[in-house]
Amino acid sequence: KAGVTQTPRYLIKTRGQQVTLSCSPISGHRSVSWYQQTPGQGLQFLFEYFSETQRNKGNFPGRFSGRQFSNSRSEMNVSTLELGDSALYLCASSSAGAGNTEAFFGQGTRLTVV
Amino acid sequence: GIQVEQSPPDLILQEGANSTLRCNFSDSVNNLQWFHQNPWGQLINLFYIPSGTKQNGRLSATTVATERYSLLYISSSQTTDSGVYFCAVPYGGSQGNLIFGKGTKLSVKP
Repeated sequence: KAGVTQTPRYLIKTRGQQVTLSCSPISGHRSVSWYQQTPGQGLQFLFEYFSETQRNKGNFPGRFSGRQFSNSRSEMNVSTLELGDSALYLCASSSAGAGNTEAFFGQGTRLTVV
Repeated sequence: GIQVEQSPPDLILQEGANSTLRCNFSDSVNNLQWFHQNPWGQLINLFYIPSGTKQNGRLSATTVATERYSLLYISSSQTTDSGVYFCAVPYGGSQGNLIFGKGTKLSVKP
């Protein structure tokens, strides 16, 4: 069974640009969550999608958005990039959401904003 | 919201030594997960352990939900065990997201 796949693995962007990250969950999993990891703030929850609907949202500005497609693949978008958006972005896949079922993580996308 | 605290924050061991990592959480939870973050950043699942004890090779974990803590035991540590260990619990009920502790950074010296 294939794991969680995130693309791209590395990105370098300039301040003010926008970026789109992709996450393909484990086959059959309907929940995809996104997390941001920085040295200062640790791992923080961004949002969760379940069956194409955003079900939970963390405390991040509106520049961070996402969506989920009918095949459960998810994308997250960050607009008007700031230096502080440099981070490792991880997505998690679970069958019904982390509240009830085990979550599995992808390898992450490391975003550097210059 | 729920607080998750891990201790110790840093741990240095000689290869072959045993260690115990602790995770305290401030409210009752449905489940708890332990992860190992490898040098490339991926979170590797170690245990999904709402309560009780589980073992997987040299690693074992115990969660005492009524006392709101979990322990991760690493026996006969190897250099490949180095990395950061996180525990995480869900917040927000059955549809919640994971809240992570700050992690324990383990360094195993040869």
